[in-house]
Amino acid sequence: EVQLVESGGDLVQPGGSLRLSCVVSGLTFNNYAMNWVRQAPGKGLEWVSFISGSGINKYYADSVTGRFTISRDNSKNTLYLQMDSLRADDTAVYYCAKGYSSAGVSWFDPWGQGTLVTVSS
Amino acid sequence: DIVMTQSPDSLAVSLGERATINCNSSQSVLSRSNNKHCVAWYQQRPGQPPNLIIYWASTRESGVPDRFSGAGSGTDFTLTISSLQTEDVAVYYCQQHYAFPLTFGGGTKVEI
Repeated sequence: EVQLVESGGDLVQPGGSLRLSCVVSGLTFNNYAMNWVRQAPGKGLEWVSFISGSGINKYYADSVTGRFTISRDNSKNTLYLQMDSLRADDTAVYYCAKGYSSAGVSWFDPWGQGTLVTVSS
Repeated sequence: DIVMTQSPDSLAVSLGERATINCNSSQSVLSRSNNKHCVAWYQQRPGQPPNLIIYWASTRESGVPDRFSGAGSGTDFTLTISSLQTEDVAVYYCQQHYAFPLTFGGGTKVEI
């Protein structure tokens, strides 16, 4: 069974930084692209970032470009999201979600349980 | 960016009745590689992460009950629940998996 477990969410002040992690088990991690998707309280889903299985190709939503950095450590089966210059509108539950293949656009399956990031003074 | 527009925002359906959710893409999401439409559907129950139901517009994910079906062509897509059950109460989202940035519809809340 594939499992994704996020961690690292916290309360942080505007302008601060945070690093999220997602540990994946039950599959050959470097065979799959990974994504971060977020959901603000009471709102819909917003895709945040994508990284290919090799880690070479990365894409970002315009809303986070230049502030967030996605990365992965395939030796540790772990996905990361470095979040800098955080703003109040970054407040959300952040989900990691597996892609269908090692590269390219895809649907998301499965998803982790999510980790809550709150940006507030 | 491809905009995904869902309707209605919410709907109430009696147990055993049909529920239909619509999703419109702002441009074609037809894959040239396999001639399939790049639309996925998710179910999100309260307090839970989203769960994949449908991909390639009409392919049901393994383990998903066959009362769920997806259809559509061009830029208009539908998710149908043929006979609503209590466990189907949730918010449903469509997503295009055609191009970056990947985008979702705004969601449709299904109630009994």
